[in-house]
Amino acid sequence: AQSVTQLGSHVSVSEGALVLLRCNYSSSVPPYLFWYVQYPNQGLQLLLKYTSAATLVKGINGFEAEFKKSETSFHLTKPSAHMSDAAEYFCAVGIQGAQKLVFGQGTRLTINP
Amino acid sequence: DTGVSQDPRHKITKRGQNVTFRCDPISEHNRLYWYRQTLGQGPEFLTYFQNEAQLEKSRLLSDRFSAERPKGSFSTLEIQRTEQGDSAMYLCASSLRDRGLYYGYTFGSGTRLTVV
Repeated sequence: AQSVTQLGSHVSVSEGALVLLRCNYSSSVPPYLFWYVQYPNQGLQLLLKYTSAATLVKGINGFEAEFKKSETSFHLTKPSAHMSDAAEYFCAVGIQGAQKLVFGQGTRLTINP
Repeated sequence: DTGVSQDPRHKITKRGQNVTFRCDPISEHNRLYWYRQTLGQGPEFLTYFQNEAQLEKSRLLSDRFSAERPKGSFSTLEIQRTEQGDSAMYLCASSLRDRGLYYGYTFGSGTRLTVV
């Protein structure tokens, strides 16, 4: 069965600093990987996805993630944090044939002025 | 494309009462999913429909929970005899058949249930 581990339930960075949110997955078959963002009292918004094409994936709001099969990782980065990036971020994995996504526990990103 | 709509946004109910939530997916999406998210956790899969057929249910979906999608359009999730442990955000998502993993699911804003 597939699973996702997000390292760090809370990450705090200064405005303008690099954002790095870590995600490791477990899957016995090639996975589909996603990052979603959730603002307070809102649903989930898709940031980016990996679907076995390019290993470096660019998403919305300046975020990108790199799929590293050897490390079973899909870490999310943004070169320069903005105050509006403060939110909860979820990594999720899906596999062909299984009709659901499995989510990590989430990482709360705080941006310090 | 008006997105996925969920109603109500918030629901406060007394323990033991029944509640029903509604989800309206994106019109051309034939798959509809329900997830539950408790405080500080990621969403957990509950069930999904392809058109009007309920094809999978999680073990999290106890006998007190029932979901329907009678005409393959909107869906309802009912919880009978609510318990405090049912307090959570209930999220609905939709996708095109066989394309959900490629394009990603579209989530609604959720219904936050508080059982007092």
